[in-house]
Amino acid sequence: GENVEQHPSTLSVQEGDSAVIKCTYSDSASNYFPWYKQELGKRPQLIIDIRSNVGEKKDQRIAVTLNKTAKHFSLHITETQPEDSAVYFCAARGRRGGKLIFGQGTELSVKP
Amino acid sequence: DGGITQSPKYLFRKEGQNVTLSCEQNLNHDAMYWYRQDPGQGLRLIYYSQIVNDFQKGDIAEGYSVSREKKESFPLTVTSAQKNPTAFYLCASSIDPRGQPQHFGDGTRLSIL
Repeated sequence: GENVEQHPSTLSVQEGDSAVIKCTYSDSASNYFPWYKQELGKRPQLIIDIRSNVGEKKDQRIAVTLNKTAKHFSLHITETQPEDSAVYFCAARGRRGGKLIFGQGTELSVKP
Repeated sequence: DGGITQSPKYLFRKEGQNVTLSCEQNLNHDAMYWYRQDPGQGLRLIYYSQIVNDFQKGDIAEGYSVSREKKESFPLTVTSAQKNPTAFYLCASSIDPRGQPQHFGDGTRLSIL
């Protein structure tokens, strides 16, 4: 079935360092890949998304890269700040309608 | 997003009881979704609706039921058949059935008494 694998499950970095989270998807027909940030007890917030017709998208300190051949995509956060600490989820749109398949999440901790 | 309202914020269920979680959106979105989130896990899709009066099962629909009688409302009922209902429930909506992007409500935390 459709599946999204996300790694690592936890990530700890020093403030100012970069953080990279990677996801692999199984459905080669997937063509939309959003990333969500979720702070403790709160709703997931969309931070960036990418469609399969581009290989990279950047928004200030956040960037996402997509490799369709290898079926993986990554989130890159540069110059990390303590407020970046949260759980990050990747997702891929599956074959059936608007269904999103989510990764298991990465808990990012940015130490001051 | 202020346009998606979930209530209540906290809900307690007794054994053998059905409970209903509310989700309302004023964004004029066609599609609505219900997810379940367990500690340390990703979001799992329970049900989704691409249009009024239509809905489909997601990956973990057993023990749950939904209705979509109005565009703005997509209530989720957790039935007594759901033996492990304790979780954080998130409702989402998107402007069209292709689901791009989905915006979430603040969630309802359901616990067993």
